[in-house]
Amino acid sequence: SAVISQKPSRDICQRGTSLTIQCQVDSQVTMMFWYRQQPGQSLTLIATANQGSEATYESGFVIDKFPISRPNLTFSTLTVSNMSPEDSSIYLCSVSTTGELFFGEGSRLTVL
Amino acid sequence: GNSVTQMEGPVTLSEEAFLTINCTYTATGYPSLFWYVQYPGEGLQLLLKATKADDKGSNKGFEATYRKETTSFHLEKGSVQVSDSAVYFCALSDLAAGNKLTFGGGTRVLVKP
Repeated sequence: SAVISQKPSRDICQRGTSLTIQCQVDSQVTMMFWYRQQPGQSLTLIATANQGSEATYESGFVIDKFPISRPNLTFSTLTVSNMSPEDSSIYLCSVSTTGELFFGEGSRLTVL
Repeated sequence: GNSVTQMEGPVTLSEEAFLTINCTYTATGYPSLFWYVQYPGEGLQLLLKATKADDKGSNKGFEATYRKETTSFHLEKGSVQVSDSAVYFCALSDLAAGNKLTFGGGTRVLVKP
C-alpha cells in the first residue's frame, strides 16, 4: 500500500490567483496521477506525472493552466493557475503501486 | 474509448436492507474492474476489485462479480449498516489505455437507522 499526504487539505482562493498543491508519498513510485472531482461529479484525470519527464495531460487540460512538477519518486506538485470559480473542485493525487491505485484525501479548493 | 456507467443516486435504504448498485462498462481491451468508496470527508479507498471475467471481488461484506457477457460489475451487500453511507464509484483500468482509471459518475448511498 501507499500513504499519500496532500497539502493544503482545503483553501479559499481569490479569482486570478494561483495555488500549488503538494503530494507526498511514503514510498517511491513511478507513476503519479492528478485527478479533479468537481462538485457532485465523478473523478476526471488531469495528467500523469512520471519522474524525469514532462507530465502527460488528458484532453481538455493544458500545462499552462495546470503545471505539474515531479522532482523525485516520492513528491509531486500541481498548480492551478489563474483560478476562476469554475476551478472550485477537489484535487486528488494518486499513485499506482502493486497494481492498485491509492488516493490522497484531496485538496478542496473554493475560488471566489 | 472506455466508459463506465453506474446508477444514479442518491440511494436511500434502511439498516439491514439489501443494496445493489449497478455498473456497466465499455472497454476496448480486457479491463480490470474496481469499486472505490468515499466516506464523508475522506479520500477514495479501494473497496474491491476483479481482474478477469468471472472473478468475484469481496470486502467488508460487499461483493461484485466481473461479468464479461453483460459487461457488468454490480456491487451488492446483503445487509447494510449506517456506516456504509458513502459515495461508491465503479471504475475500470485497461492496459490498452495505459492502465489509467476511468470512473463512473458515483452513487451516493444513505443508510438510515
